[in-house]
Amino acid sequence: AQSVTQLGSHVSVSEGALVLLRCNYSSSVPPYLFWYVQYPNQGLQLLLKYTSAATLVKGINGFEAEFKKSETSFHLTKPSAHMSDAAEYFCAVSDPNNDMRFGAGTRLTVKP
Amino acid sequence: DTEVTQTPKHLVMGMTNKKSLKCEQHMGHRAMYWYKQKAKKPPELMFVYSYEKLSINESVPSRFSPECPNSSLLNLHLHALQPEDSALYLCASSQGDSRASPLHFGNGTRLTVT
Repeated sequence: AQSVTQLGSHVSVSEGALVLLRCNYSSSVPPYLFWYVQYPNQGLQLLLKYTSAATLVKGINGFEAEFKKSETSFHLTKPSAHMSDAAEYFCAVSDPNNDMRFGAGTRLTVKP
Repeated sequence: DTEVTQTPKHLVMGMTNKKSLKCEQHMGHRAMYWYKQKAKKPPELMFVYSYEKLSINESVPSRFSPECPNSSLLNLHLHALQPEDSALYLCASSQGDSRASPLHFGNGTRLTVT
């Protein structure tokens, strides 16, 4: 079965600091991995996805993620946090039935 | 702006009411989904329609009844709900043809059952 685990339910950074949100996956087949963001009172929005092409994936809003098979990880990073980045972030894996399975989520807080 | 439109944005209903949630997309996607999201939790899959046929029902109680009138529309009919059914109900769509297809979400309907 495919699943993802997000380490840390809450991450707090200062504005301008590095953002690192952690995600580890478990998959019996080559994984298709995604990061979504959810702002308050909105649905989820795709940030980026990994589909077995380049291991370093660039997404919207300056975010990127690196697929590391040896570590079964797909961590999300951004060099410099903005206040507008405060939101809930979900890592997800697409299983063989094309169903999206989400991690528990990480709430990012950005301090001025 | 989201390309998946959900109505209404908010809904308050009593336990004896019947109501419907509506979802519409015009991206030509062939798969449509209903998710339920409780506060501070990830979305939980409820139903999947693929090419207008129900392909997955994740053991959802019968008081929730999905309907897919055509490839652009998805409804969720509600009847005799319980207070614990209060949640954000999200509709999503995808091309549905491969595991690489991401989901496109609407902004949800905030449901309160009194």
